[in-house]
Amino acid sequence: AQTVTQSQPEMSVQEAETVTLSCTYDTSESDYYLFWYKQPPSRQMILVIRQEAYKQQNATENRFSVNFQKAAKSFSLKISDSQLGDAAMYFCAYTGTASKLTFGTGTRLQVTL
Amino acid sequence: AAGVIQSPRHLIKEKRETATLKCYPIPRHDTVYWYQQGPGQDPQFLISFYEKMQSDKGSIPDRFSAQQFSDYHSELNMSSLELGDSALYFCASSSKRGNPRGETQYFGPGTRLLVL
Repeated sequence: AQTVTQSQPEMSVQEAETVTLSCTYDTSESDYYLFWYKQPPSRQMILVIRQEAYKQQNATENRFSVNFQKAAKSFSLKISDSQLGDAAMYFCAYTGTASKLTFGTGTRLQVTL
Repeated sequence: AAGVIQSPRHLIKEKRETATLKCYPIPRHDTVYWYQQGPGQDPQFLISFYEKMQSDKGSIPDRFSAQQFSDYHSELNMSSLELGDSALYFCASSSKRGNPRGETQYFGPGTRLLVL
């Protein structure tokens, strides 16, 4: 079974600074997809970014980028120029042969002035 | 752009009652997933449907059942409710057309169920 691990329960960043959230996963599959979802206090699940395992190039979406290390099974999220609206719970998620999502336990990000 | 619609948004039930949660996927999406998120926890997969057929099953109690209808909307039926069923229930939808795997799941706002 696939597992997703987020070892940072909480992180804090100052406004306009950069922060990196860590995620590791375990799988025996070669074809899979990784996601970061954001869950603000409203508890809506919002897609932040997606990475296909067969692509070597790291995905980027505006201020959000990932560092995907397939051999190390690592998938970190970098948030640049952090904004107050970035404060939320961030979940790393995996999907493979079974297209259900397997989530990590989440990292709560606090953004301070 | 149209998003996933869930109803009701909030639901309060007594123990041993039944509840029905509804999900309307994004237009032209053929796959629906249900997840349960307890307080302070990550979402857990319950069940999924592709083209109106059950495609995968997770940690869904036998007291729960679900189906996808001809218009692709889905309903999650929960019977003999227990206090532990209190959670946020998400529906997500995706399209497998042309890409059997790796489709992105888009989530609805969730239904908050409170069992008293």
